[in-house]
Amino acid sequence: GAGVSQSPSNKVTEKGKDVELRCDPISGHTALYWYRQSLGQGLEFLIYFQGNSAPDKSGLPSDRFSAERTGGSVSTLTIQRTQQEDSAVYLCASSRTVTDTQYFGPGTRLTVL
Amino acid sequence: GENVEQHPSTLSVQEGDSAVIKCTYSDSASNYFPWYKQELGKRPQLIIDIRSNVGEKKDQRIAVTLNKTAKHFSLHITETQPEDSAVYFCAATDQTGANNLFFGTGTRLTVIP
Repeated sequence: GAGVSQSPSNKVTEKGKDVELRCDPISGHTALYWYRQSLGQGLEFLIYFQGNSAPDKSGLPSDRFSAERTGGSVSTLTIQRTQQEDSAVYLCASSRTVTDTQYFGPGTRLTVL
Repeated sequence: GENVEQHPSTLSVQEGDSAVIKCTYSDSASNYFPWYKQELGKRPQLIIDIRSNVGEKKDQRIAVTLNKTAKHFSLHITETQPEDSAVYFCAATDQTGANNLFFGTGTRLTVIP
């Protein structure tokens, strides 16, 4: 079946602009996760959703970052007033339940000029 | 929160030799330890995982061992092949009950033909 998809695949923006990144999880997966991968680095946990609620927002780097999920499916990660240090690949993953294997999307490469 | 350390950061082996990557974690409540393989420009792919109720798991040329007392786990790849060349990430969950993954910084494995 279809895997996790993300859009856009690449996003170039100017410092100070807002961006929205989208994740479409695997159909039927109740858990959804956002991670960030800076160049040559590991993956950093940002936030996860169980259904439409986000029990754990502790990984969000600042209040410029927010995320929502509607209908238990699509999620958007919003970064306001982007900074150059926000440049990274943003990866989304989903799992059938919170204790099942996570499957990753292809990521969105964000470049802030 | 969870802190995962991974060693070595780079590893080169001759084709046919074995490769071992080691990780330690800090949260004694962690109970799920996946390993992901990430080829250049691609999404992380789960290759093997282990839960805290077992000490070892094998899947063909890949094995993972877990020592909960020492809080470390290792990935073993035997009979390495050039296509094993990639970055490998270990991860551990935190204690929230969900699979919020905290990743190591990755090991770049190069298999020399």
